[in-house]
Amino acid sequence: GQSLEQPSEVTAVEGAIVQINCTYQTSGFYGLSWYQQHDGGAPTFLSYNGLDGLEETGRFSSFLSRSDSYGYLLLQELQMKDSASYFCAVGRNTPLVFGKGTRLSVIA
Amino acid sequence: NAGVTQTPKFRVLKTGQSMTLLCAQDMNHEYMYWYRQDPGMGLRLIHYSVGEGTTAKGEVPDGYNVSRLKKQNFLLGLESAAPSQTSVYFCASRIEYSTGEQYFGPGTRLTVT
Repeated sequence: GQSLEQPSEVTAVEGAIVQINCTYQTSGFYGLSWYQQHDGGAPTFLSYNGLDGLEETGRFSSFLSRSDSYGYLLLQELQMKDSASYFCAVGRNTPLVFGKGTRLSVIA
Repeated sequence: NAGVTQTPKFRVLKTGQSMTLLCAQDMNHEYMYWYRQDPGMGLRLIHYSVGEGTTAKGEVPDGYNVSRLKKQNFLLGLESAAPSQTSVYFCASRIEYSTGEQYFGPGTRLTVT
């Protein structure tokens, strides 16, 4: 089976940096993805890591360490609109398995 | 290009009633999925399809059936609705051999009383 652990809630100040961690246990590994979901909205894809290291997309970066079964999403220069839930997920050609999500609250 | 659409957006059912949720995508994606999302539970996979005419069970398939008669459509059926099926249902699709990117529909909010 597969399971993912991520913090349930994180609060950070506008303009700051926040890191959301994700650890996983899988029978086979096929990449770690991150999704963002605003209240009342649908999940939207943010990033994918298939290999170890850092992937950067604008203010967002995602990191993966396969040897540690660990990854994180890094959000820089936080804005109020970044308040949302963030989900890590494992899988590629197989159906994605999602973590339970981290609710990020950005405060002024 | 509408992406992934879902019909209906909201529905209230009485226990024991049946209904079908429709998902349509216009991106020619092979893979399609149905998830349910409950507070604090993340997204749980109900059923999925890897191509026209194929379906497979996910993590929580009981009480649901699906069909993929056409590549662009994926239907989710509830034969006898139960209050435990009150949830938000999301459909998603993706291309074969993608890098984890799935496209989600806007969701259907279902309440069973």
